Amino acid sequence: AQTVTQSQPEMSVQEAETVTLSCTYDTSESNYYLFWYKQPPSRQMILVIRQEAYKQQNATENRFSVNFQKAAKSFSLKISDSQLGDTAMYFCAFVRQGGSEKLVFGKGTKLTVNP
Amino acid sequence: DTAVSQTPKYLVTQMGNDKSIKCEQNLGHDTMYWYKQDSKKFLKIMFSYNNKELIINETVPNRFSPKSPDKAHLNLHINSLELGDSAVYFCASSRTLGQGGQPQHFGDGTRLSIL
Repeated sequence: AQTVTQSQPEMSVQEAETVTLSCTYDTSESNYYLFWYKQPPSRQMILVIRQEAYKQQNATENRFSVNFQKAAKSFSLKISDSQLGDTAMYFCAFVRQGGSEKLVFGKGTKLTVNP
Repeated sequence: DTAVSQTPKYLVTQMGNDKSIKCEQNLGHDTMYWYKQDSKKFLKIMFSYNNKELIINETVPNRFSPKSPDKAHLNLHINSLELGDSAVYFCASSRTLGQGGQPQHFGDGTRLSIL
């Protein structure tokens, strides 16, 4: 079974600074996908970024980028130029290729951006 | 237009009652999911349907019964509600199975509180 671990329950960062959220996972699969989802206080689950395991190039979406280390089974999220609206729970998630496509989530990191 | 909509957003009821949560998606997706988010914010898959066919049933008590009348709708009926059922329930959808890590689009969640 796959597991996803987020070792930082809470983090804080000053507005305009950069912060990195950690995620590690355990799997015996070779083909899979990784995601970061954001859940602001409004409770919505918003997709931040997606990474295909067979791609070595790290995914980037505007101020959000990942550091994907397949051998180390690590998938960290970097948020540059942090904004107040980035305050949210961030969830790392794994899905293996093929099959049921169920997302396996980490326990989340609560990020607070301070003015 | 809301892509994945759930009703109701809030549900407060007594222990022992039966209740339903409805979900509809207008994205043309084939696959729909129910996730449960507990009080510690941990998200876990409950069920998945692909084109009205049950794909995932993740060791959920049989008091929970999903129903998919068509591929755009996935409802969740819960019998004999218990205190431990208090949680936020999220519906999600994705394009289809077998195409590899399709992003899942989430509804806004239904907060179920059992008195």
